[in-house]
Amino acid sequence: AQKITQTQPGMFVQEKEAVTLDCTYDTSDQSYGLFWYKQPSSGEMIFLIYQGSYDEQNATEGRYSLNFQKARKSANLVISASQLGDSAMYFCAMRGNTNAGKSTFGDGTTLTVKP
Amino acid sequence: DGGITQSPKYLFRKEGQNVTLSCEQNLNHDAMYWYRQDPGQGLRLIYYSQIVNDFQKGDIAEGYSVSREKKESFPLTVTSAQKNPTAFYLCASRDSSLFLSDTQYFGPGTRLTVL
Repeated sequence: AQKITQTQPGMFVQEKEAVTLDCTYDTSDQSYGLFWYKQPSSGEMIFLIYQGSYDEQNATEGRYSLNFQKARKSANLVISASQLGDSAMYFCAMRGNTNAGKSTFGDGTTLTVKP
Repeated sequence: DGGITQSPKYLFRKEGQNVTLSCEQNLNHDAMYWYRQDPGQGLRLIYYSQIVNDFQKGDIAEGYSVSREKKESFPLTVTSAQKNPTAFYLCASRDSSLFLSDTQYFGPGTRLTVL
């Protein structure tokens, strides 16, 4: 079984500052992938970044980076230079090699960027 | 433009009625998924299909049914057996279920309200 825990229901950040959204996971799979998605108020889910369990370097995509600490089973999302348009709900998700068809999502963190 | 379409965007249903939510993709993806999202919560998997004419139950399949007769289409029927169907429904697709790094692409969602 897989489990994703996002312990921050809501976060606030000042515009242009960096923010870290926490994600911890649990799995018995040896190989797995971790994903972050953004969901604006419109409801669409937007893929942000991916980290493989055997990737040696932390993933980065523009202003998004993933702080992957395998031993601690954490995959925190870092957003640098926050913008007003970053206000949204953010979901951490994972998929393991034993059932590559299924993804497990966390309950999400609502991020509000203040001007 | 390649993508996933869901229709309708808003749907109202009387208690005791079955209703079918449409999901179509032109990305030539093998795998398709249906998720349910309740307010302020994460995504829960209803059904998924990794290939045409085959599908598997997710975590909350009771009261729902699906079919996968064509690669591009994966309709979801919410039956009268679903006791609390009011929710936001998201359809997703993925290129292949073989590779962990393949991300899911999501449709815009259908908001179902039972009157």
